[in-house]
Amino acid sequence: QVQLVQSGTEVKKPGASVKVSCKASGYTFTVYYLHWVRQAPGQGLEWMGHINPNSGDTKYAQTFQGRVTLTRDTSISTAYMELNSLKSDDTAVYFCARGGPLPGFGYWGQGALVTVSS
Amino acid sequence: DIQMTQSPSTLSASVGDRVTITCRASQSIRTWLAWYQQKPGKAPKLLIYKASNLESGVPSRFSGSGSGTEFTLTIRSLQPDDFATYYCQQYNSYSFGGGTKVEI
Repeated sequence: QVQLVQSGTEVKKPGASVKVSCKASGYTFTVYYLHWVRQAPGQGLEWMGHINPNSGDTKYAQTFQGRVTLTRDTSISTAYMELNSLKSDDTAVYFCARGGPLPGFGYWGQGALVTVSS
Repeated sequence: DIQMTQSPSTLSASVGDRVTITCRASQSIRTWLAWYQQKPGKAPKLLIYKASNLESGVPSRFSGSGSGTEFTLTIRSLQPDDFATYYCQQYNSYSFGGGTKVEI
């Protein structure tokens, strides 16, 4: 069965960077886009960007352009989201989600809580 | 960027009620719309894709309709497990609506 397993809770200071991983299993990693979505405490869902695991091509939401980098390691079926210059309002749960073959994010990771605090 | 607006933001209902949630897009997205259900502390769950297609395993009391800029999610007879927050998402640039919390 398809599974996306994310790395654990992170606590970071303002100005630091965080890198969250998302390990995929149960399907061919390179076939479907992986998306990243975040959710601040008590708030809605915010799409951050996606990566084509086959080519490595990325697309980022305007809000995060220049501050987020999506990468992947096909040898271990793992995608990564790195967010730089962290601020307190980056405190959120960060989800990875798989796209395709039908439109919609049918599979999600369990989420990784990132807390930014001095 | 395409903006998605959901209404209402909160909805009070009872078991057995018919519930309708509306989602409006700032420009036409044809039928490139998905609906998700999220419960506290959990990842969202895909309910409907391409505006009206039920995801496998989702109960048939859920239905979606609409095209262009106006969409609706209907829950035919609300069950205790349906109390949650619902989000729409457009599939052109992937932005989400603000969510609708369905509470007792």
